[in-house]
Amino acid sequence: DVKVTQSSRYLVKRTGEKVFLECVQDMDHENMFWYRQDPGLGLRLIYFSYDVKMKEKGDIPEGYSVSREKKERFSLILESASTNQTSMYLCARSEGVHPYEQYFGPGTRLTVT
Amino acid sequence: GQNIDQPTEMTATEGAIVQINCTYQTSGFNGLFWYQQHAGEAPTFLSYNVLDGLEEKGRFSSFLSRSKGYSYLLLKELQMKDSASYLCAVRQYGNNRLAFGKGNQVVVIP
Repeated sequence: DVKVTQSSRYLVKRTGEKVFLECVQDMDHENMFWYRQDPGLGLRLIYFSYDVKMKEKGDIPEGYSVSREKKERFSLILESASTNQTSMYLCARSEGVHPYEQYFGPGTRLTVT
Repeated sequence: GQNIDQPTEMTATEGAIVQINCTYQTSGFNGLFWYQQHAGEAPTFLSYNVLDGLEEKGRFSSFLSRSKGYSYLLLKELQMKDSASYLCAVRQYGNNRLAFGKGNQVVVIP
C-alpha cells in the first residue's frame, strides 16, 4: 500500500512566520504536487515537481515556494505566513506512467493567526 | 485554461442509485478522474476514463462522452458510508497536472 505522509495534521502559526510543510512518499515516484483546498473553491494546485530539483508553478504559487532535494521529499514553504493562507494543504504523488492517477497524503490543516 | 462544473450538493436515500454529473471544457483532453473525499480526509482515487463509454467497478461506474465534454459517476446500492464529496478532475495532454472541479457533496439518508 503506497503511502504519502505529511509532517503534521494540524498546525497553528503566527502571521509573518516562516512555515515548512513536509511531504514524503515511500515509492520512487517522480511526480509530486502541493494543493490547497478551501470551501467553495475546491482543490487548487500551488506547485508541482517532476523530479529532483525540478519545480513548476501551479495556478496559485504567490506567497509559496517549494524544495525537492530528494526524490521522496517535497516541501512547501510559506516565506511569511499570512491569514489568507489558512487552509487545508494536501500533498499528492503520481507515477510517471499512464494513467498518472494521483494519490494524496492525509493533509495538513494550517491556521495562521 | 480548463473549466470544470459539478453540481454542489445532492441528497439520496440508502439503497438508491445516484448519478453525479461533471461537465468540462479543455483543450487537449487526456483523461478524466473521479475521487471520493470524506469530510476531514484526503481524496481517494475511484476511477479513470479516457475513452468514451462506461467503466464499471463494483457499485461504482463512470461514464465519459468526449464529444459532449461530459462524465458521470453512478453509485448503486447507496450505503451511509457513501456520504462524501465526489471530485471530478481532468488531465490535459503534455502534462501530469489535474484540474479539479469543486466537488459534489452527496448526503445519504436512511
